[in-house]
Amino acid sequence: EAGVAQSPRYKIIEKRQSVAFWCNPISGHATLYWYQQILGQGPKLLIQFQNNGVVDDSQLPKDRFSAERLKGVDSTLKIQPAKLEDSAVYLCASTTGQFAIDTQYFGPGTRLTVL
Amino acid sequence: AQSVSQHNHHVILSEAASLELGCNYSYGGTVNLFWYVQYPGQHLQLLLKYFSGDPLVKGIKGFEAEFIKSKFSFNLRKPSVQWSDTAEYFCAVTLPGGGFKTIFGAGTRLFVKA
Repeated sequence: EAGVAQSPRYKIIEKRQSVAFWCNPISGHATLYWYQQILGQGPKLLIQFQNNGVVDDSQLPKDRFSAERLKGVDSTLKIQPAKLEDSAVYLCASTTGQFAIDTQYFGPGTRLTVL
Repeated sequence: AQSVSQHNHHVILSEAASLELGCNYSYGGTVNLFWYVQYPGQHLQLLLKYFSGDPLVKGIKGFEAEFIKSKFSFNLRKPSVQWSDTAEYFCAVTLPGGGFKTIFGAGTRLFVKA
């Protein structure tokens, strides 16, 4: 089965510019996560979708970050405007969403560098 | 606030040495526990998980982990490491309730010398 797809794999922008990341989860997976992983740290949940509804966005910096999941499938995460501290790997993961013990399947991530 | 602590950020071992990576979490209720691994150049993937039953769980590639409820711990072990175990290991906790929020530890980077 196809895994979680993310694009782009790498992105370099200057501060105050905007950037968008795309994620296509595993087919049939209802739950989709966006994580931010800063160098030397573990993944930090930014937002979680169940189908196309937001379940948790408590750690999403809403003044500059936004995310959507149209039709309950693909998702985009946007940063506008970017700051230096946004440099990180942005991971997308998906699960069936039925149980807390479900395995999360991760994509390759997008490495963002903000100059 | 809930958190997950991994005690060792970097571990260097020789092949055939035994491995134990510590993980503690702070949450008083029922949790689901995971170890994920990221091999060089690869995606994060599941190593093993625990939600109930036998507190000693076995995962892929000879790894096992023991859940000790009284210590809020879920330590990862392997009796004899191989060079191919060089990777970064993340402990994670999924909380019950709507949404199943997951909290990751900071990770432990393991390097195994051939």
